[in-house]
Amino acid sequence: SQQGEEDPQALSIQEGENATMNCSYKTSINNLQWYRQNSGRGLVHLILIRSNEREKHSGRLRVTLDTSKKSSSLLITASRAADTASYFCATDVWFADKLIFGTGTRLQVFP
Amino acid sequence: SAVISQKPSRDICQRGTSLTIQCQVDSQVTMMFWYRQQPGQSLTLIATANQGSEATYESGFVIDKFPISRPNLTFSTLTVSNMSPEDSSIYLCSVEGRQETQYFGPGTRLLVL
Repeated sequence: SQQGEEDPQALSIQEGENATMNCSYKTSINNLQWYRQNSGRGLVHLILIRSNEREKHSGRLRVTLDTSKKSSSLLITASRAADTASYFCATDVWFADKLIFGTGTRLQVFP
Repeated sequence: SAVISQKPSRDICQRGTSLTIQCQVDSQVTMMFWYRQQPGQSLTLIATANQGSEATYESGFVIDKFPISRPNLTFSTLTVSNMSPEDSSIYLCSVEGRQETQYFGPGTRLLVL
């Protein structure tokens, strides 16, 4: 399977703490994206990092990409209860015109 | 960003029957995608649907089981045929967004008894 792996599968933290989730993938990519899904609903795009970038920030989100290790991490700083959701990485694979989603991390943030 | 709606939002069906899921977008898009998300799992791409051409199916998915229509640039349907309990999933449509991202519909929750 081309599907990426994410770890941890589940993460529980208190409000105000930082949450880090990791994604590993298997093929060469154009970019890597992170999406959030609340309670089995539709996904919302969070951030995109291109293959020639190493780090990107957006508000409380920080994404890193290491193409030599085929891995990425998503850091959510100062987490809030509203951040409770499942987070998926998705890779835009060369010449494929499609996204391949990782296995996902379920984040629970307690007030 | 595109606004996407799906109908029905959820359904409970008997095995052996078929269900057609509708996906409507508020703007014209070239590429639409259909995904399946089995309980507690990630998203798996079923097919890519471009207007005016046959849908392109991913390995493990066939047209007889998941026929797709794409009559215009704002609408698509996915039919889940001859359903079994293993088809119980969330089915999501999405469209291409800016810079290779995708916008997703709210999903259709299907339970097959």
